[in-house]
Amino acid sequence: GQNIDQPTEMTATEGAIVQINCTYQTSGFNGLFWYQQHAGEAPTFLSYNVLDGLEEKGRFSSFLSRSKGYSYLLLKELQMKDSASYLCAVMDSNYQLIWGAGTKLIIKP
Amino acid sequence: NAGVTQTPKFRVLKTGQSMTLLCAQDMNHEYMYWYRQDPGMGLRLIHYSVGEGTTAKGEVPDGYNVSRLKKQNFLLGLESAAPSQTSVYFCASSYVLAGEGGGANVLTFGAGSRLTVL
Repeated sequence: GQNIDQPTEMTATEGAIVQINCTYQTSGFNGLFWYQQHAGEAPTFLSYNVLDGLEEKGRFSSFLSRSKGYSYLLLKELQMKDSASYLCAVMDSNYQLIWGAGTKLIIKP
Repeated sequence: NAGVTQTPKFRVLKTGQSMTLLCAQDMNHEYMYWYRQDPGMGLRLIHYSVGEGTTAKGEVPDGYNVSRLKKQNFLLGLESAAPSQTSVYFCASSYVLAGEGGGANVLTFGAGSRLTVL
């Protein structure tokens, strides 16, 4: 079966750095996405990786290793507004998105 | 710029009742999707459409029907609601993000519709 694993919840301190991991087992691979979802709101697109390596976008970076079936989202200089759930999703060989259950990130002052 | 608009935002139904969730997008996107989101689970695709007049089944289509009569609208219907259909429903549309690997569909989501079936 197809599976996406993410930690259920993480806690970090304002101003610090946090890394949210995502491991996947899917039928083929056509890219990995990270979305942010604030409580009670819609998911919004953060990043897309299809080749190995690090993609940097401001305070957020996303890393992919296809051989290990692994990605992480790195958030730097954490702000209170970063408190949200972070969803990892993989596009399989049929171009269908398989979603993880999400990681709830709690930022403490 | 409205993006993706869903109505209604909240609805309570009794078992056996029917209803339709409406989704409208003003971005001229070809692809549209209906997902459900349940606690502790990833988003699950119910139905999707690759263009006006087309629909296809997703991962969990049973108990739902859809129609895409106009490019900008995608309707999700529940003919006979069941408590198992209590969920938050998200509509999304997508554009292709050009780049390495030939591009990818990036989803723009509506604000969600919270449905409770008693």
